[in-house]
Formats: sequence, C-alpha cells, structure tokens
Amino acid sequence: GAVVSQHPSRVICKSGTSVKIECRSLDFQATTMFWYRQFPKQSLMLMATSNEGSKATYEQGVEKDKFLINHASLTLSTLTVTSAHPEDSSFYICSAISGGLTYEQYFGPGTRLTVT
Amino acid sequence: SQKIEQNSEALNIQEGKTATLTCNYTNYSPAYLQWYRQDPGRGPVFLLLIRENEKEKRKERLKVTFDTTLKQSLFHITASQPADSATYLCALDMYGNQGGKLIFGQGTELSVKP
Repeated sequence: GAVVSQHPSRVICKSGTSVKIECRSLDFQATTMFWYRQFPKQSLMLMATSNEGSKATYEQGVEKDKFLINHASLTLSTLTVTSAHPEDSSFYICSAISGGLTYEQYFGPGTRLTVT
Repeated sequence: SQKIEQNSEALNIQEGKTATLTCNYTNYSPAYLQWYRQDPGRGPVFLLLIRENEKEKRKERLKVTFDTTLKQSLFHITASQPADSATYLCALDMYGNQGGKLIFGQGTELSVKP
C-alpha cells in the first residue's frame, strides 16, 4: 500500500518555541493531506485539510495562526505549531489521499510532541 | 452533529474465537464507512471500506456489515490471533462527503489471548 512518512517521530520543545512537523507521501502524489490530533485514549480529531498550492481549511475551534500548514508540493505538507504550550502536547498524525474515487486514507506513523 | 460510538469497554477474547466490534452513529447516514487498525504510538492503518449501498464486505479473516436502518456497522475478525490485538477505529465521511474528511470513533481495544 501507499506509504506516508512523518518527521520527526518524537519532539520535545520548550514552551514558547515553534515546532515543524513534516508529512510526506513517498510513492504517490497526494492531492489532499489531512492533519489530526489525538490525545491519550481518545479519538483522532481532524484539525485541518491541506490541498497542494492552496490555503488549508481548518476545522471549527482550531486556531489557524497557531497551527500553520503549508502544502508546497504534491508530496509534502508541513504543520508548524507556533508558540507551543504544554496543552499542545499531543500525538499529531497526518494522512493523505491520492484523489480520484479512492476514499482510502494513508496515515503517517505520527509525531509525539511534548512541550515542557 | 454526527456522533460515533464504539464498544467503550476493551474486548478480551480467546485465540481462535471471532471478535465482533460495534460502531453506531447517530445522525446522517454516511456515503461510506471505514475501519482502521491502530497500534500503540502508531498511525491508523486502513482495513476495509464499505459503501452505503453495500450490506457486507469481506477481506481474508475480516468482515464488515453496514445497516443504515440501525445506523450500525459490525466488524468481525474470525479465527482471531494474538497478533490481532490492537485498537480498532471506525470512521465515517463527514456529511456531504467533504473531499475525504473523516470523523472517527473513539476506538475499541481488542486483546486476543493465546
């Protein structure tokens, strides 16, 4: 199946700093990428939808100025958590679809962010 | 808004038995419903997709049913193995099938004992 990678897999940062997480589709072109957040023992919550070459659309309650998303190419989307705070500590997961009639989403392995 | 409920309790079964997981939704009937497997500290892995006009879908030891009248999907793993132990998530498309956006259930943790 299609492969999606994320980097880094784990990151620890100090409160007030910014962190960038990369999501890459390795063997297909992703027309759309999604960013999710998952707290322990909870479900994945969709944060935003990212389409190549256009602005991301954010779900209700997600601050677009805090979670900056850039989808510069058909294989790369980045999520930058700006001025991170301890409450931003979570598991961030991206997914990608290749378009067409397929609805299968291919998920990355996730990035564990800890803000101290 | 759409709400999804999966078996809230962890499911413990003996190896070789059939595991049955439930996914109920409350609002609109989705155009399709998906099941994913998630291992601890990992992203979900796609297993099966079933469309609103399909009653049942199979893939190897997996079977999914979809009852739009009951607003329910059942996910079965036959001849379960310890390697099947994981959290299983159901996901529905957002209303109007908004370009692949999904709503996830909270997941059911399955443990298969040898």
